[in-house]
Amino acid sequence: NAGVTQTPKFQVLKTGQSMTLQCAQDMNHNSMYWYRQDPGMGLRLIYYSASEGTTDKGEVPNGYNVSRLNKREFSLRLESAAPSQTSVYFCASSEPSQPQYFGPGTRLLVL
Amino acid sequence: QKEVEQDPGPLSVPEGAIVSLNCTYSNSAFQYFMWYRQYSRKGPELLMYTYSSGNKEDGRFTAQVDKSSKYISLFIRDSQPSDSATYLCAMINQAGTALIFGKGTTLSVSS
Repeated sequence: NAGVTQTPKFQVLKTGQSMTLQCAQDMNHNSMYWYRQDPGMGLRLIYYSASEGTTDKGEVPNGYNVSRLNKREFSLRLESAAPSQTSVYFCASSEPSQPQYFGPGTRLLVL
Repeated sequence: QKEVEQDPGPLSVPEGAIVSLNCTYSNSAFQYFMWYRQYSRKGPELLMYTYSSGNKEDGRFTAQVDKSSKYISLFIRDSQPSDSATYLCAMINQAGTALIFGKGTTLSVSS
């Protein structure tokens, strides 16, 4: 039982490049989330998916897109990376109104 | 006023000390309260989960919620060097769709 897994662990991009962060959970949770964590800013919600087939914007959605591929997988795409998107990205999953379980994170550096 | 306020510390204590970590919040509608522990370069790990007011104990950890004061606490008894981490309080938003996090308190326990 791996919980929440994320790939890649670390990525370096140049400004303007695109990439997709992958997330999968094996807990059969309905809801999945993407956060970014920056020093002094805490964890901020980018997008969430309350259930398979739905996605909604969180606090900081600009510059990102998401896809809920199936119940297990939820990906985050940066179409044209900017230095302001340098951050640590966490995926999480839960049942609605229940605690969330987090993955190990992806560290992204945009030059 | 921010929805959730948490003193960032750092907090340094000797091994064996009792540690008190606190958060205040502004929205009286919050019902579900969590504490997460985050080790350096790792994802947040759920430590304690409480509903409404009262105390919950799990080993050396006690979570306390005072809804009348909009104040939650995490107590760590007999603190160990392995408790050195950042502790994040979190609450489920009114819609039940996301967590609202404090910015975290960094704790260092010295042997």
